[in-house]
Amino acid sequence: SFELTQVPAVSVALGQTVKITCQGDILRSFYASWYQQQPGQAPILVMYAGNYRPSGIPDRFSGSYSGNTASLTITGAQAEDEADYFCHSPDNSRNQVFGGGTKLTVL
Amino acid sequence: QVTLKESGPALVKSTQTLTLTCSFSGFSLSSRELCVSWIRQPPGKALEWLARIHWDDRKYYSTSLKTRLYISRDTSENQVVLTMTDMDPLDTATYYCARVTIDGTTYVDTWGQGILVTVSS
Repeated sequence: SFELTQVPAVSVALGQTVKITCQGDILRSFYASWYQQQPGQAPILVMYAGNYRPSGIPDRFSGSYSGNTASLTITGAQAEDEADYFCHSPDNSRNQVFGGGTKLTVL
Repeated sequence: QVTLKESGPALVKSTQTLTLTCSFSGFSLSSRELCVSWIRQPPGKALEWLARIHWDDRKYYSTSLKTRLYISRDTSENQVVLTMTDMDPLDTATYYCARVTIDGTTYVDTWGQGILVTVSS
């Protein structure tokens, strides 16, 4: 089965830029999507199809790719961005795969 | 407005079968680009995709759990049902139903609020 690997935790100073990465061979074939999850809440979609933001998601969120790695970048991180972030992708068998998640701390 | 809501038991016993219902509104499961998935999350852990059903009744299951899962739909009632057999305490998790869009890429665009299911031994 395919796996998506995320760094368990990252931190960023308030107002600075942070990149959260998701690595997996399946990303050479399929786009990743990204989800933000606040404590005790359901996830919400923050990025899909590479670099598309759903309505209501601030433009400080952006997505990018390099080889087998997808990245979610927050430019000018805010206190409310502190959350868990999960990447997701379909695989060749039309299953869905989630990364292990990254806990973002805003200092 | 697209909404999904999970319902079912909060507590089940080991070896029992879990049945969860997802009631949704604001979209139709007869649309070719829309599907419904079930996803779970054990406390403090990562999300895990379980199953998905399409407009034409195609079904897809997690490789590791497919022998225990069954997903079905009632299009007229706007509901999707997931059954999971032989429950174990390790299956304790919040179970989410979610709308999935497949239009050249695949992503979960809307999530239900989730239902916490605890499995007792």
